[in-house]
Amino acid sequence: RKEVEQDPGPFNVPEGATVAFNCTYSNSASQSFFWYRQDCRKEPKLLMSVYSSGNEDGRFTAQLNRASQYISLLIRDSKLSDSATYLCVVNKGGYQKVTFGTGTKLQVIP
Amino acid sequence: SAVISQKPSRDICQRGTSLTIQCQVDSQVTMMFWYRQQPGQSLTLIATANQGSEATYESGFVIDKFPISRPNLTFSTLTVSNMSPEDSSIYLCSVEVAGQGLASYEQYFGPGTRLTVT
Repeated sequence: RKEVEQDPGPFNVPEGATVAFNCTYSNSASQSFFWYRQDCRKEPKLLMSVYSSGNEDGRFTAQLNRASQYISLLIRDSKLSDSATYLCVVNKGGYQKVTFGTGTKLQVIP
Repeated sequence: SAVISQKPSRDICQRGTSLTIQCQVDSQVTMMFWYRQQPGQSLTLIATANQGSEATYESGFVIDKFPISRPNLTFSTLTVSNMSPEDSSIYLCSVEVAGQGLASYEQYFGPGTRLTVT
């Protein structure tokens, strides 16, 4: 089983739709979780950290489910500019050893 | 957060040659990382570069092929040696800084160096 698994997609959704991605991780000792966004031919950029209590930033909501070992990202009212690949990142703790998922591709269509 | 620059942004090189990629950070950081991202793939960690010690390489990557320097807390270089077309990839420098929450570290990436080996 991969350390971090994501559905590669693509998810094709119309503008204004709500879309959710999940990411599962295999190491129950993992401590920190993040969602990154990567545009085509660009570097990954931190979108949001995922806290145990969940967190929300505008149209984006991230949740952590430790019991089932997954994190989720919900995007409401999708915009064309949300089209990108969303990478799930898991950190086992402290420096080093973050593991990247392979990414979920989102395409928001007009 | 951290602001990271990389040079060159892209290069086309002939097989058998070497290319050195530079990474500059706007603040002092303990850990710097070098990743590779091949087309359509996720990021693969090449090595971790600590200032004042030798880099730590991941499985499948060796110092002779990817020598790394870390002369100070804001700078690192990665050399891709004796290149072959299989080395064509995006090479990304990354740093880790303390984020919010206990034991939470956030990674920030440079813009990447797009390498094509012919």
